[in-house]
Amino acid sequence: NAGVTQTPKFQVLKTGQSMTLQCAQDMNHNSMYWYRQDPGMGLRLIYYSASEGTTDKGEVPNGYNVSRLNKREFSLRLESAAPSQTSVYFCASSAGWGIGETQYFGPGTRLLVL
Amino acid sequence: SQQGEEDPQALSIQEGENATMNCSYKTSINNLQWYRQNSGRGLVHLILIRSNEREKHSGRLRVTLDTSKKSSSLLITASRAADTASYFCATSNEGSNYQLIWGAGTKLIIKP
Repeated sequence: NAGVTQTPKFQVLKTGQSMTLQCAQDMNHNSMYWYRQDPGMGLRLIYYSASEGTTDKGEVPNGYNVSRLNKREFSLRLESAAPSQTSVYFCASSAGWGIGETQYFGPGTRLLVL
Repeated sequence: SQQGEEDPQALSIQEGENATMNCSYKTSINNLQWYRQNSGRGLVHLILIRSNEREKHSGRLRVTLDTSKKSSSLLITASRAADTASYFCATSNEGSNYQLIWGAGTKLIIKP
């Protein structure tokens, strides 16, 4: 039981390059999330998927797209990376969507955009 | 936008002492959660307190919630070196469509 896994762990991109961050969970959770964490700030929600087949924008969706491939997998794509997207990206999941749901986090992907 | 704001931003204490960190928020909430993040790792859920609760305990953790002051505190008793981490509060409410809104965190260092 691995929980939430993310790949890659580290990535360096040049401005304008694209990449996809992968996330998978093995807890049979319905809801999944992508956050970014910048120094001195809390997590900011990029996109979320309340259930399989649905995705919605969070607080900072610009420059990103997501795909809920199936119940287990939720990917985040940067189409044209910018230095402002240098951050640590966390994927999380929860059993459901609603009040009081505990979120379970992956180990994060550290992204540097030059 | 950040709903929760932790205070202090950083805290350094001796092993064995108690550590208290606070979280203030701006709008009414349904519940408030505390998470821990060890350096370079993902966040781990510690405890959830609902808006109609005033205090909750889990092992060495005690969380209080004062909805009239829109604040919560996390107390870690008898601190250990392994408690060195950043601690975040996150609030949830119907107005934010149940999304968790996170504070910037308190960095706790336990000195041996």
